[in-house]
Amino acid sequence: EAQVTQNPRYLITVTGKKLTVTCSQNMNHEYMSWYRQDPGLGLRQIYYSMNVEVTDKGDVPEGYKVSRKEKRNFPLILESPSPNQTSLYFCASSQWDIRTQYFGPGTRLTVL
Amino acid sequence: RKEVEQDPGPFNVPEGATVAFNCTYSNSASQSFFWYRQDCRKEPKLLMSVYSSGNEDGRFTAQLNRASQYISLLIRDSKLSDSATYLCVTPKDTGNQFYFGTGTSLTVIP
Repeated sequence: EAQVTQNPRYLITVTGKKLTVTCSQNMNHEYMSWYRQDPGLGLRQIYYSMNVEVTDKGDVPEGYKVSRKEKRNFPLILESPSPNQTSLYFCASSQWDIRTQYFGPGTRLTVL
Repeated sequence: RKEVEQDPGPFNVPEGATVAFNCTYSNSASQSFFWYRQDCRKEPKLLMSVYSSGNEDGRFTAQLNRASQYISLLIRDSKLSDSATYLCVTPKDTGNQFYFGTGTSLTVIP
């Protein structure tokens, strides 16, 4: 089954404790992206990647890191999480023409 | 002005009704648009793509009005299962990023 998976789905952590949210897709897509969704603000892009070893900042990259060492994986790293990073996070992937984005099921992160 | 603006609703309509909501965009050069459907606390899923004047898929019709810079989504014969938030999306000029609207909430009532 073609899909985008994220782990963990739910995470409660404390300020400053480094964490990684994994994202994997099995569709051989070139494009991958991370979004956060907050009430009243909609989906905002954090980082995106056009292909392996190519990553670019989105609209809200501060406090986040990403890497794209393999085509299928695009982990999101929070080196020192803060409460304002409490949000619902979605990973998405797409073919090179980026016409249709396939989203993962989301990760609900709470930073205390 | 936001790049993509949607009426947040909520739109509450009876089953079987026809409902339409609009999405306005600020970049007159935008060439493509997408409607995504998002169920509560779940991931967005592509509903329709619009590259020219419009698109139709069963009960769903998307119309693009370039002169007034808005795109509409029309749902005919609403079903209970149509209850969701509908997101309007258009690529930025770079083509690698997207503007997402904040969504329009639809509830279909029995």
